[in-house]
Order: sequence, then C-alpha cells, then structure tokens
Amino acid sequence: QKEVEQNSGPLSVPEGAIASLNCTYSDRVSQSFFWYRQYSGKSPELIMSIYSNGDKEDGRFTAQLNKASQYVSLLIRDSQPSDSATYLCAVADYGGSQGNLIFGKGTKLSVKP
Amino acid sequence: EAGVTQFPSHSVIEKGQTVTLRCDPISGHDNLYWYRRVMGKEIKFLLHFVKESKQDESGMPNNRFLAERTGGTYSTLKVQPAELEDSGVYFCASSQSAGTKLFFGSGTQLSVL
Repeated sequence: QKEVEQNSGPLSVPEGAIASLNCTYSDRVSQSFFWYRQYSGKSPELIMSIYSNGDKEDGRFTAQLNKASQYVSLLIRDSQPSDSATYLCAVADYGGSQGNLIFGKGTKLSVKP
Repeated sequence: EAGVTQFPSHSVIEKGQTVTLRCDPISGHDNLYWYRRVMGKEIKFLLHFVKESKQDESGMPNNRFLAERTGGTYSTLKVQPAELEDSGVYFCASSQSAGTKLFFGSGTQLSVL
C-alpha cells in the first residue's frame, strides 16, 4: 500500500526561526510532490509543488526533494504566527488518475510570538 | 471568482439514513475530485470526474457511495445507507486541467450516530 509519512507534531518554533517539516513516501516511482497548508476548519491550500531533485524556493518557503531517499521537506524561514497551521505532504499516485493524491496525516506547526 | 463550495458544511444523521453532499467546483474546471478524511487518518482520494465522466473511482469504499456529476457542473456524493464508519470530513476539489493545481473546498463534516 502506498503511504506518505509525516510526524504529526505539534512542532513548535519561535517567531523568526526556521521551521522544518519532513515527509517520506513509499512509492519509489512517484514523480510529483506537494505541500498543502490547512488552517483549522478551512480547506487545504497548495503552497508548494516540486518535481525534480533539489531545492525549490518561493518566498519564505523552500521545498526539498530527494528521490533516492524518498524524502521531501518544507522549510519555512522567518516563521510567523500566521504560519501556524497543519502542513500536509501529498504525493501524486503514479498509477492513478491525475489529481489522485496520497496524503500524509499532516504536521501541526505552532509559531510562538 | 468563487472558489469550490460545498454544502452542507455539517451534517448529522443516524445510522441507516441517507445523506447527499454537494460540490460546486470553480467555474470552468472540468476536473472534480472527492476526498475524505476519517478522524485520525489521512485525507484519502475517493474519485475523479472529468466533466460528467468518472475518470477514476478506485478510492470509493463500497457500493453505498454514489457520486454523480450530471451535466459536468456540480457533483453530488450520496451515502446510502450511512454507517458509523462513514463519519469524517468530505472534501471536494477541482482543477482546470488534470494534473494542475487542485483547489479544495472547505469540506462537509459528516457525523453518523
């Protein structure tokens, strides 16, 4: 069974620090990887996608992918209290239809002022 | 532009009853997806429509679940008869093209008592 694993947290960091969120996946042939942010009671919102090994930066967010290790991470620099949310790692199911994503359970991030 | 909207936001029903959830995707989005999150578990894919056709329904748990998308616009997900284990949050998502960014609705919280 294809799985995506994340630490459930909560991960607590002080304001201004770097938050590091990690994710591993089981399907070696996976090609597309996503990070979603979900505030309590709200819809998941895509914040980063990554398809190639290495780093991808977008503002304060950096996604890192290592396909050999089947590992994806998200770094949030200069963390703000507004970043407090649950972060969901998702992997596109290679054998499924486009949009068939396999999610991890999410890591709850708390940024303390 | 309106996002993905779901109705109702909450539904409480008794075991054995029928419930119908509705999803209105973003206008012009041909791809519509249903996902479900059972308490304590990860968000799981249920099915994928392209216009009015079911592209992938591999995640549907059993034949008590029926999804439709007549006319290729809004979609309904009917659970009949509902069981206790059907409780969870049902998310709908849409995208303009398969494999592109998914926009999620806020979900329907279903409680089966």
